[in-house]
Amino acid sequence: QKEVEQNSGPLSVPEGAIASLNCTYSDRGSQSFFWYRQYSGKSPELIMFIYSNGDKEDGRFTAQLNKASQYVSLLIRDSQPSDSATYLCAVARVNTGKLIFGQGTTLQVKP
Amino acid sequence: GAGVSQSPSNKVTEKGKDVELRCDPISGHTALYWYRQSLGQGLEFLIYFQGNSAPDKSGLPSDRFSAERTGGSVSTLTIQRTQQEDSAVYLCASSSGTSGYNEQFFGPGTRLTVL
Repeated sequence: QKEVEQNSGPLSVPEGAIASLNCTYSDRGSQSFFWYRQYSGKSPELIMFIYSNGDKEDGRFTAQLNKASQYVSLLIRDSQPSDSATYLCAVARVNTGKLIFGQGTTLQVKP
Repeated sequence: GAGVSQSPSNKVTEKGKDVELRCDPISGHTALYWYRQSLGQGLEFLIYFQGNSAPDKSGLPSDRFSAERTGGSVSTLTIQRTQQEDSAVYLCASSSGTSGYNEQFFGPGTRLTVL
């Protein structure tokens, strides 16, 4: 079992729809959770982080965390073609250095 | 302010040669990380520096890989006797190291090709 699992996709949604990206993790000691966006040929860009159970909203993005179910998700509202990218989920224990990344989900937003 | 910078952006080398990759973190960030990303593979942790503490080298794949961080700022990742399987994008990240929660910001990466 991989430490962090994501559906590789591609996930295809029409412009203006809500895109829902999911991630599960195996280490119950994980305490910090991150979503990175990576455009083809570029480096990962941090878009959301969440540490507590529940929802965290930032603009069109909402991160959701459920530690009991070991599940974290990212919702993108009003999806735009510019949101088309690979979304990487990453988890870490507090006060440790390394992020454990999932394989990423490719999102395609069609005009 | 300036983000994480890395050099060179691209490096092509022959099998068996040594290479050095450089990372300059965000000013004031005390924590620095190296990862690599291979085609078809996810992001793989290599090494982590935090202030003056001993680095966490648990992700280095072999003893051909080493890294140092001088003066708590710039870091160099060295790969000796490169092999074709070392071909990847090497990414450096930094974080403030103060929150404990580890928000990391990545540089543009160095694409290494071993012929």
